[in-house]
Amino acid sequence: AQSVTQPDIHITVSEGASLELRCNYSYGATPYLFWYVQSPGQGLQLLLKYFSGDTLVQGIKGFEAEFKRSQSSFNLRKPSVHWSDAAEYFCAVARGGLSFGAGTTVTVRA
Amino acid sequence: DVKVTQSSRYLVKRTGEKVFLECVQDMDHENMFWYRQDPGLGLRLIYFSYDVKMKEKGDIPEGYSVSREKKERFSLILESASTNQTSMYLCASSIVAGDGNEQFFGPGTRLTVL
Repeated sequence: AQSVTQPDIHITVSEGASLELRCNYSYGATPYLFWYVQSPGQGLQLLLKYFSGDTLVQGIKGFEAEFKRSQSSFNLRKPSVHWSDAAEYFCAVARGGLSFGAGTTVTVRA
Repeated sequence: DVKVTQSSRYLVKRTGEKVFLECVQDMDHENMFWYRQDPGLGLRLIYFSYDVKMKEKGDIPEGYSVSREKKERFSLILESASTNQTSMYLCASSIVAGDGNEQFFGPGTRLTVL
């Protein structure tokens, strides 16, 4: 069975600092991987996705993610966080529908 | 822009009631999905549909059914609502079959069952 694990439930980061959100997946083949963001009171928005090829993918809002097959990981990063990045972030793997991790809530302090 | 709309943002129902949650997408997408979102559990797939009158069970279909009579509309039905079905329900759609396609999400319906 496929599964997605986001080890960090909540992360607090200072504005301007870097951010890294961890995601590990369990999947038998090359996965399709996604990161979504859900801002307070908003719907889910796709940040980026990985299918194949270059293991470093760029997304919207200055986010990037790196696929590491050896570690079964797809971690999300942003070099400098803005207050508007406070949100809940979900990693997901596709198989029919999407299988989501439990999410990581990011708080940005001034 | 793709637009996925859900009939209600908030809904309060009584235990045992039959509940209909409606979802409409305006981009002629083949695929439609229903998820529920609960704190600490993320989103879990209830049902999905690749075509009109077609449905597939997701990870947690028990207590739910779906209907897709038209391509743009996908309904989630709670035959007899229970308190453990209190949750946020999210509908999504994507173009053509294939795992790699982006899913576009609606704003969600927060259902409370008393």
